Amino acid sequence: EPEVTQTPSHQVTQMGQEVILRCVPISNHLYFYWYRQILGQKVEFLVSFYNNEISEKSEIFDDQFSVERPDGSNFTLKIRSTKLEDSAMYFCATGTGAGIQYFGAGTRLSVL
Amino acid sequence: GENVEQHPSTLSVQEGDSAVIKCTYSDSASNYFPWYKQELGKRPQLIIDIRSNVGEKKDQRIAVTLNKTAKHFSLHITETQPEDSAVYFCAASITPGNTGKLIFGQGTTLQVKP
Repeated sequence: EPEVTQTPSHQVTQMGQEVILRCVPISNHLYFYWYRQILGQKVEFLVSFYNNEISEKSEIFDDQFSVERPDGSNFTLKIRSTKLEDSAMYFCATGTGAGIQYFGAGTRLSVL
Repeated sequence: GENVEQHPSTLSVQEGDSAVIKCTYSDSASNYFPWYKQELGKRPQLIIDIRSNVGEKKDQRIAVTLNKTAKHFSLHITETQPEDSAVYFCAASITPGNTGKLIFGQGTTLQVKP
């Protein structure tokens, strides 16, 4: 069964550093999403991406965040200058646009 | 804004009993309602979903009901087993569309005691 693949599984960084989280979508999926889950809390929407542009972003997705699909396969989330409160599990999800979204295993980001 | 409320936050049942988790949503345009199961440290896994043109859907021991008028939907698990223990999230979405973002409930921690 095809899966959404995320790397790395765990990223430790110093406050103020830039991080890039990577996702390889399921091959025929055209809709891409990033979600965040702070430990013990619910999953929160960050951004949706379709046709090589952001289709919607949440209040969490401020100027420190950006997404791109640089090579037609990887879908990346960049946090320019990490803060302590960015520590969370970040999930990539992809779908065909019919509603169902498949989640990757997540990247645990720890900002020290 | 868009919101999904989920209850209860924790649920403990004996093996073999039924479990019911309830959600309400605020955006009347929502038309797709998935349920995800998340085991500790793992990714959310879709277990069942329902669209607004259907009132009920069943898959073996799992069923979901939807009341569009009341903006309620519920997950029913019958004959619970210890491996059903996990956190369950409901979500709501508007689809099709180039957004299709999922708005999640707060989650229900289900514990099934052997």
